[in-house]
Amino acid sequence: QVQMVQSGAEVKKPGASVKVSCKASGYTFTGYYIHWVRQAPGQGLEWMGWINPNTGGTNYAQMFQDRVTMTRDTSISTVYMELSRLRSDDTAVYYCARDWTTMVRGVKFYYMDVWGKGATVTVSS
Amino acid sequence: DIQMTQSPSSLSASVGDRVTITCQASQNIISYLNWYQQKPGKAPNLLIYAASSLQSGVPSRFSGSGSGTDFTLTISSLQPEDFATYYCQQSYSTASYTFGQGTKLDIK
Repeated sequence: QVQMVQSGAEVKKPGASVKVSCKASGYTFTGYYIHWVRQAPGQGLEWMGWINPNTGGTNYAQMFQDRVTMTRDTSISTVYMELSRLRSDDTAVYYCARDWTTMVRGVKFYYMDVWGKGATVTVSS
Repeated sequence: DIQMTQSPSSLSASVGDRVTITCQASQNIISYLNWYQQKPGKAPNLLIYAASSLQSGVPSRFSGSGSGTDFTLTISSLQPEDFATYYCQQSYSTASYTFGQGTKLDIK
């Protein structure tokens, strides 16, 4: 079945970087974009960006533009999200999610259909 | 960026109640609106896509409606497993998939 398996919890100091991985299985890795979404403790969902695993093309949310890098390794069906210059308010659960496209009444629609379990990143001195 | 505003932020209801959650977009997003359910400590789960299409495996007591800027998620008869937080999300702008702030549904 389709699965997104994420790396484990990380504890980092302010100013450091973190790299979270997401290994996809059960489908054609290069066929579907992958999103990254984060959730700070007790807060809502925040979209960070997506990567096209086929081309490596990316699109980042404006608030993360200068600190986030999304990459992929097609040989192991894995995408990575690296966040630099970490601050305490980057403490959150980081999710990857597959982007699915479907046709409804002849129109393409997009949504996140399969999610990883999340990777907890704690930023603390 | 397109802003998504949900109301209410929290809601108390009883098993068997009919519940409605609304989501308003800051601009016309046609029907590019998805709804997710999230339970504590779990990843979100897709309920509704394209404003009104039920994801496979989701109970029929969940329904979505709306177009343009105003959307609604309705649970026709609340079950114990429905107490969770619900998020809307727009996919009109594929350059920026924004979420609403969430609606927490708990037991009265």
